[in-house]
Amino acid sequence: NAGVMQNPRHLVRRRGQEARLRCSPVKGHSHVYWYRQLPEEGLKFMVYLQKENIIDESGMPKERFSAEFPKEGPSILRIQQVVRGDSAAYFCASSPGYSGNTIYFGEGSWLTVV
Amino acid sequence: EDKVVQSPLSLVVHEGDTVTLNCSYEVTNFRSLLWYKQEKKAPTFLFMLTSSGIEKKSGRLSSILDKKELFSILNITATQTGDSAVYLCAVQIQGAQKLVFGQGTRLTINP
Repeated sequence: NAGVMQNPRHLVRRRGQEARLRCSPVKGHSHVYWYRQLPEEGLKFMVYLQKENIIDESGMPKERFSAEFPKEGPSILRIQQVVRGDSAAYFCASSPGYSGNTIYFGEGSWLTVV
Repeated sequence: EDKVVQSPLSLVVHEGDTVTLNCSYEVTNFRSLLWYKQEKKAPTFLFMLTSSGIEKKSGRLSSILDKKELFSILNITATQTGDSAVYLCAVQIQGAQKLVFGQGTRLTINP
């Protein structure tokens, strides 16, 4: 899967806790995307980031969700005060960013809210 | 609203059969169409299609795009049990990096 690394792979949180998901893109890739997949559904775009910038967050819920891609370190997707409906697989993807390139996905982080 | 629709949603065939998976789309500014295979974890890239009528082939898998009729098909010949997976179709929008995914086709190959 072209080296996109996500952790943790599985995360269990109680309602009201915070979930923090990390993504290290393929080496050399400067563009990171987060997608969410609910059970038995396709992937839904959440946010697109470049280093230190959020480019498109049109798929991100307005409250409780935030994402960052700092100059150093992995991209972080943060979900505050989790609810049962946040239970899903969260996939990170990366690309070099130039036109026509392919987007490669990580293995995903499975969040379960109990 | 940009939309990608896959059919069928589910397909069960016997090993050795040939299958055709369909993907139709309605998007504002089409850039490319991608096919992924998902086996309980990360979607694995299969094909990227940008031009109409040019078949892309990889082993027993092939795919073609029709930009006039706004659809693509993914063919798998001589299916094997290892082909069992969810096949995802996604469209990349011009001027935006995000992918719009269909709901997937769950393919099951029985021995």
